[in-house]
Amino acid sequence: GDSVTQMEGPVTLSEEAFLTINCTYTATGYPSLFWYVQYPGEGLQLLLKATKADDKGSNKGFEATYRKETTSFHLEKGSVQVSDSAVYFCALSDQNTGNQFYFGTGTSLTVIP
Amino acid sequence: DSGVTQTPKHLITATGQRVTLRCSPRSGDLSVYWYQQSLDQGLQFLIHYYNGEERAKGNILERFSAQQFPDLHSELNLSSLELGDSALYFCASSVAGQGLVTYGYTFGSGTRLTVV
Repeated sequence: GDSVTQMEGPVTLSEEAFLTINCTYTATGYPSLFWYVQYPGEGLQLLLKATKADDKGSNKGFEATYRKETTSFHLEKGSVQVSDSAVYFCALSDQNTGNQFYFGTGTSLTVIP
Repeated sequence: DSGVTQTPKHLITATGQRVTLRCSPRSGDLSVYWYQQSLDQGLQFLIHYYNGEERAKGNILERFSAQQFPDLHSELNLSSLELGDSALYFCASSVAGQGLVTYGYTFGSGTRLTVV
């Protein structure tokens, strides 16, 4: 079945460091891929998405490229800020399996000044 | 404001009790999804309703039930509560069909349930 595997956290970085959070997926069809972010005490917000292979999603300095050959959708940011401290969830939606999302377990990021 | 409204924001209740969590989806969205988020199990899909009909069930306990009303709001009923039911409960909505894979979910801010 469909699934998402996300790198374990927590991740602690200094401000202005480079961020990578790895995400790989398994899907039966041609999924869309998403990154959601959850700030402390809040719900999940869509950060970026890509709906087909080789698409790059980007938002707020974050980027992720849909790599079909490696079944990956790694999240990157060149220079993190304290305000990026949050939990990041990778997710996929696959029409072949009906209207359901599959979420990774989440990766907690803490950015220290 | 995401457009998905969940009430109440916080709920404290005793073991054995029953509670109802409410969700109003974003205007125009026909699908409502319920998720449970706990520290040890991450985000767990509970149930999906589309235009009043149940479409999919995930890891939902028999003590839990849900429904979606004609005005599209949804309620999640949790009964015979146990300490382990303490968690954040999220509702999400989406447009129908292709919209999910194109636009994804819109989440509410959640209801924090504490069972004491």
